Amino acid sequence: DVKVTQSSRYLVKRTGEKVFLECVQDMDHENMFWYRQDPGLGLRLIYFSYDVKMKEKGDIPEGYSVSREKKERFSLILESASTNQTSMYLCASTATGTQPQHFGDGTRLSIL
Amino acid sequence: RKEVEQDPGPFNVPEGATVAFNCTYSNSASQSFFWYRQDCRKEPKLLMSVYSSGNEDGRFTAQLNRASQYISLLIRDSKLSDSATYLCVVNGTGGFKTIFGAGTRLFVKA
Repeated sequence: DVKVTQSSRYLVKRTGEKVFLECVQDMDHENMFWYRQDPGLGLRLIYFSYDVKMKEKGDIPEGYSVSREKKERFSLILESASTNQTSMYLCASTATGTQPQHFGDGTRLSIL
Repeated sequence: RKEVEQDPGPFNVPEGATVAFNCTYSNSASQSFFWYRQDCRKEPKLLMSVYSSGNEDGRFTAQLNRASQYISLLIRDSKLSDSATYLCVVNGTGGFKTIFGAGTRLFVKA
């Protein structure tokens, strides 16, 4: 089974802090994704990566950056956290663009 | 028009009922289709892929109609444990344009 592991289930940070969310997958997948999910808005793509050191903006990249230094690890960075970034963050990976994505458990991030 | 549309529900059904969800998509070149299940405050989990010929997994049947651009999920003999949100997912062509529907909420009651 595919295992996607996110570093924290729950996280509380303060406005203005730099926040790192980590994601690791064990299936040698090329492609990794970061989403946020908010009530009534569904899943929204922040960034994705199709290879080491490669990244593409999703639908809502503002206020975020990402890093993919190793194939198995994809990090999401909130450069200066704001309260409107309080959300559930989900990492996913997939082998190809037509295969299903597999999700981590999610990180519930609260920015105070 | 949204790229993937689902009836948000909620669907409230008694145990043992048969319930059907539909999902429409706008990109006729879409290549692959899935149903995911998401429990409250949990991550989405793959329920089943959807194939052109239709496919079944126990009490769950998925259908794809490319001409009309919709997919469906049928749940027979509903269980309390089927209560969840069901997400329709469509993968586009070239690259990684995966579109998630907003989900349909299902409540199965005793």
